[in-house]
Amino acid sequence: EDKVVQSPLSLVVHEGDTVTLNCSYEVTNFRSLLWYKQEKKAPTFLFMLTSSGIEKKSGRLSSILDKKELSSILNITATQTGDSAIYLCAVEGGSEKLVFGKGTKLTVNP
Amino acid sequence: EPEVTQTPSHQVTQMGQEVILRCVPISNHLYFYWYRQILGQKVEFLVSFYNNEISEKSEIFDDQFSVERPDGSNFTLKIRSTKLEDSAMYFCASIRDLMNTEAFFGQGTRLTVV
Repeated sequence: EDKVVQSPLSLVVHEGDTVTLNCSYEVTNFRSLLWYKQEKKAPTFLFMLTSSGIEKKSGRLSSILDKKELSSILNITATQTGDSAIYLCAVEGGSEKLVFGKGTKLTVNP
Repeated sequence: EPEVTQTPSHQVTQMGQEVILRCVPISNHLYFYWYRQILGQKVEFLVSFYNNEISEKSEIFDDQFSVERPDGSNFTLKIRSTKLEDSAMYFCASIRDLMNTEAFFGQGTRLTVV
């Protein structure tokens, strides 16, 4: 059974800190790994990482895929209170459905 | 920016009643999905839909559930005879095609079964 594990489950930091969120996976026929940010409701797409694109960056957020270790990290530098959210990692395996981890709840305090 | 829209945002229903959750996927997307998230738990896949038929469904998606795309734009999830444990946030998602598989999610419908 496909599995995605995220750590830590929750994290509290101060504005300006840098955070690293972890995601590891076990999936047959890996196709891609996606990071989403979930605030009040819908997961909002952040990054998609595949074998041909193992590192992505957008502003203060960046993500790396380690296919050897079957894992990914999401880095957020110079955190702001608006970064407070649940960060979801999802993996696309043999079919195009997504298997999600439980998420990391990030709280950024002023 | 194109987005997936879902209605209603919140639905309260009595146990045993039927509900229909509606979604309008992004217009040039070909693959459609329903996911659900029980409060405090992970997002779970329910069903995928392509070319007017179900392409995959999870164990959760039993005979109580059905999906259809009645008019080429709406994508609906019907839950017959709702149970208390059906209370959850239901998300619709779509992807453009198998070469562009970033899934875009709607804002969700919070279903409360009382």
